[in-house]
Amino acid sequence: AQKITQTQPGMFVQEKEAVTLDCTYDTSDPSYGLFWYKQPSSGEMIFLIYQGSYDQQNATEGRYSLNFQKARKSANLVISASQLGDSAMYFCAMRDFLYNQGGKLIFGQGTELSVKP
Amino acid sequence: ETGVTQTPRHLVMGMTNKKSLKCEQHLGHNAMYWYKQSAKKPLELMFVYSLEERVENNSVPSRFSPECPNSSHLFLHLHTLQPEDSALYLCASSQELGQGVNTEAFFGQGTRLTVV
Repeated sequence: AQKITQTQPGMFVQEKEAVTLDCTYDTSDPSYGLFWYKQPSSGEMIFLIYQGSYDQQNATEGRYSLNFQKARKSANLVISASQLGDSAMYFCAMRDFLYNQGGKLIFGQGTELSVKP
Repeated sequence: ETGVTQTPRHLVMGMTNKKSLKCEQHLGHNAMYWYKQSAKKPLELMFVYSLEERVENNSVPSRFSPECPNSSHLFLHLHTLQPEDSALYLCASSQELGQGVNTEAFFGQGTRLTVV
């Protein structure tokens, strides 16, 4: 069965520093996608970055990068140069492709990031 | 309007009431989802619609009844709810490209439901 694990309930980071949010996953499907979402206090889930299981390079989107280690089944999110507006809940999610009619996402428990001025 | 829009944003209802949550997407997507987010818990998938057909029902109690009249609209009809059903209900949509490949899901801002 699919499973996503985020072991850090809460994290603190100083403004302008980098922070890594951990995510490990488990799936028996060789074809899958990994996603990170940000959820501010307003409630909306904002898509940040995507990594496909066959992608050769780590995904990057602006200040966000994904440290994808396939053998370890980890997909950690790295936020560089943290900003106060980065304070939010961050969710790791996975979708496998072969047995997933409808494309549903499975989410981890989330990590609450607080950026200190 | 763009993106995924949910109404109402907040809802307080009694256990004997009947209400509906509405979700509308203007992204041209063909798959839509309802998720429940309770405090201190991961998002729980409730229902999946693909091409207006329900393809997944994750053992959701019958007091929750989804409806997808077309690819742009998704409803969640609520009746005789319990206090433990209080949560944030999130709607999402994505584009299914065939053979199980989907684009990323876009979410609405959610409806915060309180059952009293």
